[in-house]
Amino acid sequence: DAGVIQSPRHEVTEMGQEVTLRCKPISGHNSLFWYRQTMMRGLELLIYFNNNVPIDDSGMPEDRFSAKMPNASFSTLKIQPSEPRDSAVYFCASQGQGYIQYFGAGTRLSVL
Amino acid sequence: GNSVTQMEGPVTLSEEAFLTINCTYTATGYPSLFWYVQYPGEGLQLLLKATKADDKGSNKGFEATYRKETTSFHLEKGSVQVSDSAVYFCALKRRTNAGKSTFGDGTTLTVKP
Repeated sequence: DAGVIQSPRHEVTEMGQEVTLRCKPISGHNSLFWYRQTMMRGLELLIYFNNNVPIDDSGMPEDRFSAKMPNASFSTLKIQPSEPRDSAVYFCASQGQGYIQYFGAGTRLSVL
Repeated sequence: GNSVTQMEGPVTLSEEAFLTINCTYTATGYPSLFWYVQYPGEGLQLLLKATKADDKGSNKGFEATYRKETTSFHLEKGSVQVSDSAVYFCALKRRTNAGKSTFGDGTTLTVKP
């Protein structure tokens, strides 16, 4: 199995631009998580889905952030408009029946 | 609610030293417990786990025992290597099919030759 695949690996954009991060979970996993990691705030859970349905989005920082999971093999996290304080590494993770989360390699976002 | 408290870092050790990273938890019921490791530039990956009281998880020379009486899951390794330098996260997961894991803040370990 290829594991959790995230794209792009690096994204550099200017303030005000729309950013879309993508995630392909492991086939057969029914839960998907989006995290943000910064030096200041550590690892933060933004939102998670179960069977493609958003269950808890209480970690989404504000309305500029949105996430979708149109099917079991794809999810997106969108930031519109982006701000410099959104600069971070964003991780996607998927989870099957064994409770173990499998993380992607992350997307490093820099907003100038 | 659920919470995980980890020993604050950073931790710096010399090669072949003994490692302990403390982890205590608060949870309802009997959660599963995990240690994840994050190497530089990578995502987190499972290091070891334990699913019930007195279980010992082990992998790559690391061990942790699920202690219900002290609500702890301390990570240990008898002789660390430079390649063990990473961030270590303790986590718990309630035993439901869905639902999130609760992670500690992470402990950064640096091993010097």
